[in-house]
Formats: sequence, structure tokens, C-alpha cells
Amino acid sequence: GENVEQHPSTLSVQEGDSAVIKCTYSDSASNYFPWYKQELGKGPQLIIDIRSNVGEKKDQRIAVTLNKTAKHFSLHITETQPEDSAVYFCAASIGSSASKIIFGSGTRLSIRP
Amino acid sequence: GAGVSQSPRYKVAKRGQDVALRCDPISGHVSLFWYQQALGQGPEFLTYFQNEAQLDKSGLPSDRFFAERPEGSVSTLKIQRTQQEDSAVYLCASSFPVRGETYEQYFGPGTRLTVT
Repeated sequence: GENVEQHPSTLSVQEGDSAVIKCTYSDSASNYFPWYKQELGKGPQLIIDIRSNVGEKKDQRIAVTLNKTAKHFSLHITETQPEDSAVYFCAASIGSSASKIIFGSGTRLSIRP
Repeated sequence: GAGVSQSPRYKVAKRGQDVALRCDPISGHVSLFWYQQALGQGPEFLTYFQNEAQLDKSGLPSDRFFAERPEGSVSTLKIQRTQQEDSAVYLCASSFPVRGETYEQYFGPGTRLTVT
């Protein structure tokens, strides 16, 4: 079946450095790729998303890139801050349907002061 | 405005008991989703409603799981005869799709279910 693989599972970076999280997906029909941040005891919060008709999207310190040929996409966080510490999930739509997204297994990001 | 709310936030049930988890989506959001999140894992899709119609329930793990959204707003996820493997966080999300396009899903805080 369809799946999304996410790496690394844990990531520790020095404050101010950049963090990169990578995901691959299996369904070539997927056309929507959101990224979520989840803090302890809270639900996932959408931080950025990208659709299949663009290759890159930026929002302040966060950027996402998409390579449809290779079926992988990445999250880049620059100038990391302590409040960036959380679990990050990538996700991909199943086919072109609006009804279902499948999540990766998550990356626990820790920012060292 | 108000986000997605879920109640209760925590639920402890003895094995074999029935539980009901409630989700109040963002006002006006047509689509509503339920997910199950095991400890240390990503959310897994359970079921999806568009208004009151349950369009996809392929993720429900067994016939002990039942979801409804009778008036197209509030939704309830019911688990009958709970088992220990049902222990997880149950997340609800809502969104407002337009012309079939996938739109952002907004998640509630979840209900943590512990079956003892």
C-alpha cells in the first residue's frame, strides 16, 4: 500500500544552525504535501504545505522542496530557535483525492542552546 | 476564531467498556477526519466525513469502531468493548475543501484513551 518514509527519526542541532528533514512517498498520484509540527500534549499544527505544481515554497525561516520525479520532499528550517523543538511530521495525499493524507513516522527535533 | 475542540481530553476505560469521543470542528468546515496516533508514531487515518456523509471508513481497525456526524457538524467516535490495543491518542481534524481540492486540515488537541 501507499506509505511515506521520514528521516531522520531524531535530530539535534545547535541553535542558529539549519535543520533538514527528508521524506519519500510511494503514490505517484500524490499531489499535496503538508508538514506538521506537534508539541507535547497538542495536536499537529500545519506549518507549511506544497502542491505538486511547484518545486519549492518558502515562509520566513521554513522552506519545503519537492522532487516529483524522485518522489521525495524535504523541510528546511534555517536559523533554528529553541521554540522549534518539537516533533515534525511530513504527509502526502493518497492519489489526487481530497479525502485522505498519510503521515510519516515523525522527526523529533531538539535545538541545543 | 475557535479551533477544533475535542472532549474529553483524557479517558481511562476498563477493558470491555464502551467509550464515546467527541469532536467539534471549526464552524463551517465541511470535511471532518478522525485519526489514531499511537505513542511515538504519526497519525493514522481512520475515517472521513463530508457534511453528514461518511465517505471513507477504510481505516477503522475493526467493527468495534463506529463514527457518526448526524447533522454535519459535531462528530462522535465510538469504540465498543475496548481492548488494550485501542490505547492511543484520537485526533480529529476539519477542513474546507473547494471543488474537490485538498485543503489544510486543522487538528484538535486529541483525546488520550488509556484502556486498563
